[in-house]
Amino acid sequence: DVKVTQSSRYLVKRTGEKVFLECVQDMDHENMFWYRQDPGLGLRLIYFSYDVKMKEKGDIPEGYSVSREKKERFSLILESASTNQTSMYLCASSLGGVAFGNTIYFGEGSWLTVV
Amino acid sequence: GNSVTQMEGPVTLSEEAFLTINCTYTATGYPSLFWYVQYPGEGLQLLLKATKADDKGSNKGFEATYRKETTSFHLEKGSVQVSDSAVYFCALTGGGNKLTFGTGTQLKVEL
Repeated sequence: DVKVTQSSRYLVKRTGEKVFLECVQDMDHENMFWYRQDPGLGLRLIYFSYDVKMKEKGDIPEGYSVSREKKERFSLILESASTNQTSMYLCASSLGGVAFGNTIYFGEGSWLTVV
Repeated sequence: GNSVTQMEGPVTLSEEAFLTINCTYTATGYPSLFWYVQYPGEGLQLLLKATKADDKGSNKGFEATYRKETTSFHLEKGSVQVSDSAVYFCALTGGGNKLTFGTGTQLKVEL
C-alpha cells in the first residue's frame, strides 16, 4: 500500500514563528501536493510539485512556500505563522496526472493551531 | 473556472436507509469526477471515480454516474451502515494534476 506520512499530527505554534510541515511518500510518486482543509470550504490546494525542485502555486499560495529537495519528501513552510493559518493541512501524492486516471493518496493530516 | 457544489450536511440516516449525496459541477471540457471519503481522524481516501460521460463508478456498495447533461455526479448507496459515517467529498479535475473539491458532506448513520 502507498504510504503518505506527515511527521506531525498536532502542532501549536505562536504568531510569527516559522513552521515546517514535513511529508514523505514511499512509492516513488512524481507528484506531491499540499492542501488545507477548513470547515465549509473543503480542500484548497496550496502548492504542488511535479518533480524534484519543481513547484507550482495552487489556489491559495500566499503566506506559504514549499521545498522538494528529494523525490520522496515535500515540505510546507509558513514563513511567519498567523492565526488565520490555523487549519488542517493535508499532504498527498500521485504517480502521474490525476486527469489520466492516477489516484491521489492522502496522508492523515496535520492539525496546526497558531496562537 | 472549475467548481463543485455539494449538498450541505450533516445528513443523518438510520442504518439500512438509502443514501443520496448530491454533487453538481461546473467545468470546461470533459473533467474526470471523483468521490473521496474521510473517516474520523484520517486523511482522504478515493472512494470511486468516473472519467467520461455515462461512466458509473462503484466501490463498497457506493455508486455514482457521470451525467454530463445535468453536470452531476450524485453518490448513492442502497443500505448504509454505521461504519459509513464519514465526510464525503466530491471532486473534479479538468486536466493535469489539479483537483477541485466540494465543501464536503458529513454523513451520520445511527442504529
